[in-house]
Amino acid sequence: GNSVTQMEGPVTLSEEAFLTINCTYTATGYPSLFWYVQYPGEGLQLLLKATKADDKGSNKGFEATYRKETTSFHLEKGSVQVSDSAVYFCVTGANSKLTFGKGITLSVRP
Amino acid sequence: DADVTQTPRNRITKTGKRIMLECSQTKGHDRMYWYRQDPGLGLRLIYYSFDVKDINKGEISDGYSVSRQAQAKFSLSLESAIPNQTALYFCATSDRYDPYNEQFFGPGTRLTVL
Repeated sequence: GNSVTQMEGPVTLSEEAFLTINCTYTATGYPSLFWYVQYPGEGLQLLLKATKADDKGSNKGFEATYRKETTSFHLEKGSVQVSDSAVYFCVTGANSKLTFGKGITLSVRP
Repeated sequence: DADVTQTPRNRITKTGKRIMLECSQTKGHDRMYWYRQDPGLGLRLIYYSFDVKDINKGEISDGYSVSRQAQAKFSLSLESAIPNQTALYFCATSDRYDPYNEQFFGPGTRLTVL
């Protein structure tokens, strides 16, 4: 089955710092790739997605590119804000099911 | 109004008790899912249902059962709760016609088993 590996956390950054969260996956076929975010005390919401190789998903200043050759979907943001503090999950989707990474907690200091 | 709702939002119960968590959705989706979230483990699939007459076990179904009462309702039961079932539980839905497998999540139910 599919699997997702995210970099170990937690991550603490200062406001306006550059963010990279690494994610690699293993899958048969061509899964969809997602980043879901969970803000404190809330449920999960979709941050961005990419559905085929070389697609770039983007939202709220975050970006991730579907890299089939390296089976990666790294999340980046050029300048983080305190409001970006949350748990981020890298997720693959195939055959109507999702496979989640373990999640990484991001804390942004003012 | 929320598209996917879960009740209760928080529940504390005792070992051995039967408990039901409920999920309702107004998205008109056929497919519904139950997950549990544990710190450092991400979300793991408990059960899923692709329509009212279709129920499937996920990777961690032991100790749980489900009921799909209608297209819009999918309930998760713990027949005899145990402390290691303390977790955050999420319901999700997806559209059968979406080829990209995007799912929409409820706000979660925090369950504590003492």
